[in-house]
Amino acid sequence: GDSVTQMEGPVTLSEEAFLTINCTYTATGYPSLFWYVQYPGEGLQLLLKATKADDKGSNKGFEATYRKETTSFHLEKGSVQVSDSAVYFCALSDRRVTGGGNKLTFGTGTQLKVEL
Amino acid sequence: GAVVSQHPSRVICKSGTSVKIECRSLDFQATTMFWYRQFPKQSLMLMATSNEGSKATYEQGVEKDKFLINHASLTLSTLTVTSAHPEDSSFYICSARDRRAQFFGPGTRLTVL
Repeated sequence: GDSVTQMEGPVTLSEEAFLTINCTYTATGYPSLFWYVQYPGEGLQLLLKATKADDKGSNKGFEATYRKETTSFHLEKGSVQVSDSAVYFCALSDRRVTGGGNKLTFGTGTQLKVEL
Repeated sequence: GAVVSQHPSRVICKSGTSVKIECRSLDFQATTMFWYRQFPKQSLMLMATSNEGSKATYEQGVEKDKFLINHASLTLSTLTVTSAHPEDSSFYICSARDRRAQFFGPGTRLTVL
């Protein structure tokens, strides 16, 4: 079945550091890929998405590229801020549905802590 | 963005009692609602999918008589954990979807003593 593997956390960075959170997936067909962010005390929020190979999703300075050849969707940000501290989840959907997902399969989440 | 609320946010109960968790879409009508369960340091596991007015579809391995789901309206779904036991202690997250996207609630922490 479908699965998502992401790097274990917690990840601790200094403000303005470069961020990479690795995510690889296993799926049949052509899944859509997502990154969700969960701030303390809040629900998961969609951060960015990509629906086909070579697509790049971007939002709030974060970006991730759908790499079919390496089955990866790594999250990057050039300069993190304290306000980026949260848990980040990589996920895939078994249907290519823009925006929403049908059945989402999640990774375990990676906690990011950004310090001054 | 769209808001999904859950109530309560945290509940502690005795073993053998039943606990109801509410999930509401506050500013949109949800065609479908999902219930997830999350164990520490593990991913969200889909428990069931429900559409308003119809029976929920449970994932393999999820006991439907243990986890009762009622999707009474386009803005409300409830999850009842019946005869709860310590192994049911977990973080339960609901999600609601409309035509645009899927939105998540903040979760409910259930502790069964």
